[in-house]
Amino acid sequence: GENVEQHPSTLSVQEGDSAVIKCTYSDSASNYFPWYKQELGKGPQLIIDIRSNVGEKKDQRIAVTLNKTAKHFSLHITETQPEDSAVYFCAASINNDMRFGAGTRLTVKP
Amino acid sequence: DSGVTQTPKHLITATGQRVTLRCSPRSGDLSVYWYQQSLDQGLQFLIQYYNGEERAKGNILERFSAQQFPDLHSELNLSSLELGDSALYFCASSDTGSVSQPQHFGDGTRLSIL
Repeated sequence: GENVEQHPSTLSVQEGDSAVIKCTYSDSASNYFPWYKQELGKGPQLIIDIRSNVGEKKDQRIAVTLNKTAKHFSLHITETQPEDSAVYFCAASINNDMRFGAGTRLTVKP
Repeated sequence: DSGVTQTPKHLITATGQRVTLRCSPRSGDLSVYWYQQSLDQGLQFLIQYYNGEERAKGNILERFSAQQFPDLHSELNLSSLELGDSALYFCASSDTGSVSQPQHFGDGTRLSIL
């Protein structure tokens, strides 16, 4: 089945800096790649997603890139703010299965 | 607020017992997904229901079962509970039957097995 690896497991940046989180997947047939943000005591919240027929997608300070050949996709957050501090999860779906990465704890220091 | 409601927020019980977790999807959503989040295994997909029918199965144990009712709310039943079943259980919903669609998560039920 699909296997999703996520790096790094923790990331600390200064406010205003950029943050990049990377994920790799194993099954080339995966076709949907969402990113979720989870704050303490809350459920995961979808922040951006990308499909396999698109290479890049942006939404204000957040962008996701997909390299199908290398089977990896990345989340980019620019001009980070303290409220960006949370755990971020990548995921990849194929057929009727969604697999999540292990998560990245992002800390933005003011 | 995602619009997905899960009850109860916390549940404490003992080994061998049975519990039922409840989920109400966002208005208009036909699919309900159940996930288990534990420290050692991350977020794992358990099962999906679409418009009352089972649509997809993930890593769900035989001791666990789910159903979706005509009003589209769903229940996850966990029986013969073991210490390792302690985890956060999330429900998510989406408007179609495909897993490859945006899913909206509730805030979860924290299950503690003593």
